[in-house]
Amino acid sequence: AQKITQTQPGMFVQEKEAVTLDCTYDTSDPSYGLFWYKQPSSGEMIFLIYQGSYDQQNATEGRYSLNFQKARKSANLVISASQLGDSAMYFCAMSSNSGYALNFGKGTSLLVTP
Amino acid sequence: DAGITQSPRHKVTETGTPVTLRCHQTENHRYMYWYRQDPGHGLRLIHYSYGVKDTDKGEVSDGYSVSRSKTEDFLLTLESATSSQTSVYFCAISRQGLNNEQFFGPGTRLTVL
Repeated sequence: AQKITQTQPGMFVQEKEAVTLDCTYDTSDPSYGLFWYKQPSSGEMIFLIYQGSYDQQNATEGRYSLNFQKARKSANLVISASQLGDSAMYFCAMSSNSGYALNFGKGTSLLVTP
Repeated sequence: DAGITQSPRHKVTETGTPVTLRCHQTENHRYMYWYRQDPGHGLRLIHYSYGVKDTDKGEVSDGYSVSRSKTEDFLLTLESATSSQTSVYFCAISRQGLNNEQFFGPGTRLTVL
């Protein structure tokens, strides 16, 4: 069975600093996708970044990058130059064999302070 | 933004009543999903659809049924609502499977009294 673990319930970071949100996963499938979503207090789910299991390079999207370490089964999200608007819940997810639905971790709450 | 709407956005109902939530997309995406979000649980899959009339169960499907008679609409029905089904329900769509991100609707907050 697939499992996503986010071990940090809450994180603090100062504005303009970088922050790493941890995500580990467990799967026996050779082919899978890893995703990060942001959920601000308004409630919508916003897609941030994707990494395929066969991708050779770590994914990057603007200030977001995914530190993919396949052997360690980790897919950490790095946010560079944090902004106040980055304060939100962040969810790591992995695509599953159930119609490619996503298995989600329980999330990490990030608070960016001035 | 992906064209996904959910209706209603908020609903309060009583235990034992039937409830139907609607997800509508304008993207012509093949895959559609219903998730529920509860504190401390992230999002959990209820049902999904991989085409018109093609649906299957997810992790927490007990007490829910779905239907997809058109590509653009995916309905979630609670036949007899219970207080444990109080939750925020998200619909999501995906163009095709493994390597495609899912786009989420705005969510429906359902309260069962």
